[in-house]
Amino acid sequence: EVQLVESGGDLVQPGRSLRLSCAASGFTFGDYAMHWVRQAPGKGLEWVSGINWNSGTIGYADSVRGRFTISRDNAKNSLYLQMNSLRAEDTALYYCIKDKDWGSFSAFDIWGQGTMVSVSS
Amino acid sequence: DIQMTQSPSSVSASVGDTVTITCRASQDITNWLAWYQQKPGKAPKLLIYAASSLHSGVPSRFSGSGSGTEFTLTISSLQTEDFATYYCQQSYSFPQGFGGGTKVEIK
Repeated sequence: EVQLVESGGDLVQPGRSLRLSCAASGFTFGDYAMHWVRQAPGKGLEWVSGINWNSGTIGYADSVRGRFTISRDNAKNSLYLQMNSLRAEDTALYYCIKDKDWGSFSAFDIWGQGTMVSVSS
Repeated sequence: DIQMTQSPSSVSASVGDTVTITCRASQDITNWLAWYQQKPGKAPKLLIYAASSLHSGVPSRFSGSGSGTEFTLTISSLQTEDFATYYCQQSYSFPQGFGGGTKVEIK
């Protein structure tokens, strides 16, 4: 079974850091691009960051560029999101997502259940 | 950055109705457009990719069309399980983005 399991969400103070992890199973992780998407409580979906299969192409939303860093370890079937200088507006449920097509960016076919990040003093 | 605009933001419909949702991109994205369904408390699910291709396991009452900057999602013969929020998403370029969502409610 294809599965993505996020971890690392927590309640943190503004300005602090947090690292999210996503453990993948059931597919050849190193063949697919991966993404992080977040959803603030009661709000819509916001794409946060994406990374291609070999980490050669990486993108960020304007709202997180310079503060968040996406990375992956294909040997460990894992995706990460390092979040620095956290703000209240970063409060959201963060989803780890697998891209649908081998070797490219296309659509998001597998979603994790999400990990909650709350930023508050 | 490419902006994605969905309309309407909400629609009330009855079981058996046909519902059409529109998504507009601020620039040409060819057919790099996907549609998702999200129910409360659940992760979104992929319905349509490449503007008009039906994802595996998705009922055929869902269909997508369009190219360039204007796209539509049509739900024919609406079922009770289709009441949810729908989002479009462009994967043409970074930063990728979603539309604001369309909530399909029971009339």
